[in-house]
Amino acid sequence: GAVVSQHPSRVICKSGTSVKIECRSLDFQATTMFWYRQFPKQSLMLMATSNEGSKATYEQGVEKDKFLINHASLTLSTLTVTSAHPEDSSFYICSARGGQIATNEKLFFGSGTQLSVL
Amino acid sequence: DAKTTQPTSMDCAEGRAANLPCNHSTISGNEYVYWYRQIHSQGPQYIIHGLKNNETNEMASLIITKDRKSSTLILPHATLRDTAVYYCIVVQTGANSKLTFGKGITLSVRP
Repeated sequence: GAVVSQHPSRVICKSGTSVKIECRSLDFQATTMFWYRQFPKQSLMLMATSNEGSKATYEQGVEKDKFLINHASLTLSTLTVTSAHPEDSSFYICSARGGQIATNEKLFFGSGTQLSVL
Repeated sequence: DAKTTQPTSMDCAEGRAANLPCNHSTISGNEYVYWYRQIHSQGPQYIIHGLKNNETNEMASLIITKDRKSSTLILPHATLRDTAVYYCIVVQTGANSKLTFGKGITLSVRP
């Protein structure tokens, strides 16, 4: 099946610094990528949807200036957590699709990034 | 997107079939039923999806009722590695479709 690579898998940073997370589709062109956040023992919460070459669409309550998303190519999207604070500590997961979900297109997920802000 | 309702948790014995129910009573005609699972500290893994007909693949079977208001995911021979949170998601067709995760059901497979 298709592979989505997410890097890094784990990052620890100091409060106030910025952290960049990369999401790559390895064997298909991802026209759309999604970013999720998951707190311990909770479900995945969609943060934003990004389409290649256009601005990301953020879900209600997600600060676009804090969570910068760039989808500059069909195989790469990045999420930058700017001025990170301890409350931003979470498991961040990206996913990618090449077309519409509800056909035979499935949504493939990265392995996630555990962010810990000290 | 229509919402789904799943039990919070269930368990089954290793080697037995695991039947995971899902209610989606407000599903509309152009919405698919998708199942994903998430093993602890990993990204979700696609299992199976369907629209009206029952589906089977190498991982599982999906049984959708005729009125499409509920479905059951069947893992025919559960193993310890199937212990995970299983999410039943209803997805609308369209270029703007996206997966919205509920709380899912925690399946525990016991030796």
